[in-house]
Amino acid sequence: EAQVTQNPRYLITVTGKKLTVTCSQNMNHEYMSWYRQDPGLGLRQIYYSMNVEVTDKGDVPEGYKVSRKEKRNFPLILESPSPNQTSLYFCASRPLQGQFNYGYTFGSGTRLTVV
Amino acid sequence: DAKTTQPNSMESNEEEPVHLPCNHSTISGTDYIHWYRQLPSQGPEYVIHGLTSNVNNRMASLAIAEDRKSSTLILHRATLRDAAVYYCILVSLGQNFVFGPGTRLSVLP
Repeated sequence: EAQVTQNPRYLITVTGKKLTVTCSQNMNHEYMSWYRQDPGLGLRQIYYSMNVEVTDKGDVPEGYKVSRKEKRNFPLILESPSPNQTSLYFCASRPLQGQFNYGYTFGSGTRLTVV
Repeated sequence: DAKTTQPNSMESNEEEPVHLPCNHSTISGTDYIHWYRQLPSQGPEYVIHGLTSNVNNRMASLAIAEDRKSSTLILHRATLRDAAVYYCILVSLGQNFVFGPGTRLSVLP
């Protein structure tokens, strides 16, 4: 089944403790992206990657890092999480070629709480 | 990024058609119109997209105005499982997808 898999689904952590949220897709998509969703603010893009070793900032990149060493994986790294990073996170992917003929496939989300 | 405007919320009765409007008066000639929906506790899900012509798929139909300044997502027979937030977004080359607040659709039994 074609899918984007995020782990973990739920995570509670303490301020300053480094964490990684993993994202993997099995559709050979070039383009991958991370969004966060907060009440009243909708979905905001954090980082995106157009292919291996190519990443760029989205609208809200502060406090986050990403890497794209393999096409299928796009982990989101919080080096020193703070309470304002408490949010619902989504990873998504789509093909780059013929990009307008394909929509995003989203993961199921990771609910992160930083205390 | 070109903007879209959608009603905050709409209601529909089960098994009736639903027409979800979207205004995009500043759309450019290369912008595609995409629709997504987000069911409770799930990630957004692609529904349909189009450029100029009306489009149909197994989930919905997309009607695009002749001047392309508005579009309508049509669910032909709403079910309780269609209750979700529906997002209309414009997509163009080199631009990232920008999700607005969307329309929250409630389906009444």
